[in-house]
Amino acid sequence: EAGVAQSPRYKIIEKRQSVAFWCNPISGHATLYWYQQILGQGPKLLIQFQNNGVVDDSQLPKDRFSAERLKGVDSTLKIQPAKLEDSAVYLCASSLVSHGPIYEQYFGPGTRLTVT
Amino acid sequence: DAKTTQPTSMDCAEGRAANLPCNHSTISGNEYVYWYRQIHSQGPQYIIHGLKNNETNEMASLIITEDRKSSTLILPHATLRDTAVYYCIVREYTDKLIFGTGTRLQVFP
Repeated sequence: EAGVAQSPRYKIIEKRQSVAFWCNPISGHATLYWYQQILGQGPKLLIQFQNNGVVDDSQLPKDRFSAERLKGVDSTLKIQPAKLEDSAVYLCASSLVSHGPIYEQYFGPGTRLTVT
Repeated sequence: DAKTTQPTSMDCAEGRAANLPCNHSTISGNEYVYWYRQIHSQGPQYIIHGLKNNETNEMASLIITEDRKSSTLILPHATLRDTAVYYCIVREYTDKLIFGTGTRLQVFP
């Protein structure tokens, strides 16, 4: 079974530039998540999709971050304009269901973003 | 905020059991205990979860105290590949995962 795919793996941009990350979840997984992981911290949920609808985006800085999952499969996370504090690893995850005790999220390898 | 407290780091000799503790003194009756780990430069990986009873799978064992205020993840025979950050997470099954800073386990030869 193919895992969660993400690209690019690394990205270096200057502040005020824009950047986009792509994620392809595991086939059949209805729920997709984007996390931000700052160095030395655990991942923080930015946004959760159920199919192509947003379930939770309470932690997404909406003035500069946007995400979409138009066809309910792959997803794009965009930052515009980037700030120095956006330097982090951006992780995508997917799960078969969004709740229940048997609840396992599968994570991709992440995109490491450096803003200079 | 994370509802768990874990030691910042631990060491373990290869081949020995690694016992990773987690305190969750405010856990409620509907909340499960989950463990994930994150190997360097990879995304987190699910290990195991439990509610009340002890659980075991091919990766690890989870021991939950009777009052459910703490738990221990046991890797019975640690290998160098088990070097990672281990996250203990408490959640109700409708909640999102909230990661703390975890325990950095270093397995040495």
